[in-house]
This record gives sequence, C-alpha cells and structure tokens, in this order.
Amino acid sequence: AQSVTQLDSQVPVFEEAPVELRCNYSSSVSVYLFWYVQYPNQGLQLLLKYLSGSTLVESINGFEAEFNKSQTSFHLRKPSVHISDTAEYFCAVWMDSSYKLIFGSGTRLLVRP
Amino acid sequence: DAMVIQNPRYQVTQFGKPVTLSCSQTLNHNVMYWYQQKSSQAPKLLFHYYDKDFNNEADTPDNFQSRRPNTSFCFLDIRSPGLGDAAMYLCATSRVSSETQYFGPGTRLLVL
Repeated sequence: AQSVTQLDSQVPVFEEAPVELRCNYSSSVSVYLFWYVQYPNQGLQLLLKYLSGSTLVESINGFEAEFNKSQTSFHLRKPSVHISDTAEYFCAVWMDSSYKLIFGSGTRLLVRP
Repeated sequence: DAMVIQNPRYQVTQFGKPVTLSCSQTLNHNVMYWYQQKSSQAPKLLFHYYDKDFNNEADTPDNFQSRRPNTSFCFLDIRSPGLGDAAMYLCATSRVSSETQYFGPGTRLLVL
C-alpha cells in the first residue's frame, strides 16, 4: 500500500535557526508532492508543491523543498524560522495508483524565542 | 478572492441529533472533497464528488452522507452523530482530481 511517512511528530527549534521537516513516500510510479501548513483551528493551506520540472520548489515565505526521486523524499527546509512558523505541517502525495491524496501524519513545528 | 467557505465554523450537536455541515466554493472547481480530522491526526478522506459523480471511501461509515446540489455547494450530513464523530471537518476542492486541493477553514463539530 502507498504511504507517506513523516518521522518527526514534533520539531522544537529556536527562532532564526534552520529547520528540516522530513517526508518520505513509498511509490514506484509518478507522483505529485505537496506540503500543507495548518494553524490551530484552521484549514490546510498549500505551502508548496512539486508537479514536474525543477526538483527544488520554493514558497513565498522562505520555505523550500527538494524532490529526490532516488530516495523517495520531499523534505521541507527553511534557513531561518520565525515564531509565526509555529504550526502543523503535512506532507501529501498524489498517487495515480490510488487516485487520491495521501497525507503523512504531520509534524508539529514549535519555534521558541 | 476565489475561495472555499465552510459554515458554520463551530457546530455543537447532541448525541444522535442529525447535523449538516456546509461548504461552498467560488473557484468553479469540478471536484469537492470532505475530510474528517481528529486531534493531532492527518485528514481522512470521507468521500468526494467529481461533478455529480459521488465517490465514497470504503471505510466511511453509513452514518455519513453527502449532497452536491450544484457546482458551488456541497453538504455533509451526519445522520446520528456519536461521540466519536467529534472532529474537524474539512472541505476541499480541486479543478480535477490530480491537481492541487484547496481547503476551507473547517468546521469543528462537538457532540454532547
């Protein structure tokens, strides 16, 4: 069965430090990859996505993710985090084989002053 | 701005009393989804509509039903809510199934 793994349930980090949120998926077929962010009591907001082309994708608020096909990974990074980045981050993968969006279990990013 | 709207944002109902959650979209997307999200968990797909075609997930309880009267609106009906149905319910839309899904703000359901 297809799956998406976010190994870290919570990542505490100090403000202005770099962060990496890990995401791995299991699939041998073409996929589309997404990162969503969820603030408390709100819906999911699209952060960035990889559909095709350049394997490095960026968001407008400084996050970036790199699609690595050989390692089946799509890790999310930010060189310097802000308090306002504290939220839950979900990696999601669209797989043609299942014809739906499969979510990881989420990583809570906790940014401390 | 084009968007996905969910009403109400918070809903309190009694055990066994039917409840309806509403979702509307101004994106003119073909696909509308309903997800259930419990605390500290990933969203779980309940069902989706591609235009008027209804697609139910195999493990969605019969207690959950949906209606899509037109392109813009989609409703989630919970016929007899149980305590275990307390959750955040998220509506999402996409132009076609494989494209980006855009989520509404969610409705938090509390069952007393």
